[in-house]
Amino acid sequence: GDSVTQMEGPVTLSEEAFLTINCTYTATGYPSLFWYVQYPGEGLQLLLKATKADDKGSNKGFEATYRKETTSFHLEKGSVQVSDSAVYFCALSARTGANNLFFGTGTRLTVIP
Amino acid sequence: EADIYQTPRYLVIGTGKKITLECSQTMGHDKMYWYQQDPGMELHLIHYSYGVNSTEKGDLSSESTVSRIRTEHFPLTLESARPSHTSQYLCASSEVLGEQYFGPGTRLTVT
Repeated sequence: GDSVTQMEGPVTLSEEAFLTINCTYTATGYPSLFWYVQYPGEGLQLLLKATKADDKGSNKGFEATYRKETTSFHLEKGSVQVSDSAVYFCALSARTGANNLFFGTGTRLTVIP
Repeated sequence: EADIYQTPRYLVIGTGKKITLECSQTMGHDKMYWYQQDPGMELHLIHYSYGVNSTEKGDLSSESTVSRIRTEHFPLTLESARPSHTSQYLCASSEVLGEQYFGPGTRLTVT
């Protein structure tokens, strides 16, 4: 079945460091891929998405490229800030009538000044 | 602006009590979801709805029940709370494939 495997954390970085969070997927067909972010005490919010192979999603300095050949959707940011400290979830869409998502297990990022 | 509300934000309740967690959205979305989030952060889909009068069980078996008699409202009920129900519960809604809008969550503690 469809699933997402996400890099385990926690990840601790210094401010201005480069960030990569790995995500690979297993799916039948061609799913859409997403990164969601959860700040402390809040629900999840959509960070970026890509709907087909080679698409690059980007938002707030974060980027991820849909790589069909490696079934990956790694999240990157060139220079993290303290305000990026959060939990990041990779997800893929199930092609069902209810728009269900398969989520990864989440990666907690802490950025220290 | 996405508006989805959950009440209460925090709830501490004794074993055996009946509780209802409220979720409302003002976006007119047909599809709504309930997730249980464990302390390890992993999300588990426990219920979802395609629209009014539609409810389905999710991937994780849950003793809770849901109803959907209005588009904007998707409450979750536990008839008899137990300590194993202690968790964070997140409600979400969607119109576009994969784009879900989440509420702030209800953190439930059953003593």
